[in-house]
Amino acid sequence: GAGVSQTPSNKVTEKGKYVELRCDPISGHTALYWYRQSLGQGPEFLIYFQGTGAADDSGLPNDRFFAVRPEGSVSTLKIQRTERGDSAVYLCASSLKPSGTQYFGPGTRLTVL
Amino acid sequence: GESVGLHLPTLSVQEGDNSIINCAYSNSASDYFIWYKQESGKGPQFIIDIRSNMDKRQGQRVTVLLNKTVKHLSLQIAATQPGDSAVYFCAENIPGNQFYFGTGTSLTVIP
Repeated sequence: GAGVSQTPSNKVTEKGKYVELRCDPISGHTALYWYRQSLGQGPEFLIYFQGTGAADDSGLPNDRFFAVRPEGSVSTLKIQRTERGDSAVYLCASSLKPSGTQYFGPGTRLTVL
Repeated sequence: GESVGLHLPTLSVQEGDNSIINCAYSNSASDYFIWYKQESGKGPQFIIDIRSNMDKRQGQRVTVLLNKTVKHLSLQIAATQPGDSAVYFCAENIPGNQFYFGTGTSLTVIP
């Protein structure tokens, strides 16, 4: 079966621009997570969805970051007024239920010039 | 806050030897732990998990040991192969909360 997919795989943008990163979870998985991973570090939690609602968004660094999951499946992470410090790999994971085993996508590498 | 860390950031082993990767966690309320393997350019891949009501769990060539007394987790890989070369992360979870990941240990298998 298909795993978690993320698009695009790479995104290069200029400082100040707006970007959207997409995540397609495993079919039937109700929980969806976004993480950010910098070089040499472990994934850092950003936000977690249970169904359509954001159950925990405590990891979002500031109000430039926003995520949605309108139909409880695909999710989009949106970053406004990008900064060079936003450059990282953005990972998405899904699990069948909350606190269940998370399965990760390949990530989107975001580079802000 | 939570702290999940690894004792050794890098580990080199000879092909065929056993590997042991360690992880410390700080929150005694954590009750679920996962080991992930991450190869360059890829997302973390689930290896094995363990719940706090167990102290050992075995998979195919991998064993996870949990010592709740000292809040320590280890991953043992038997007969390490070149394909095992990757960064290994442990993650802990408190019920109803997010997962916290450690920094990772880079494992290099020498042929």
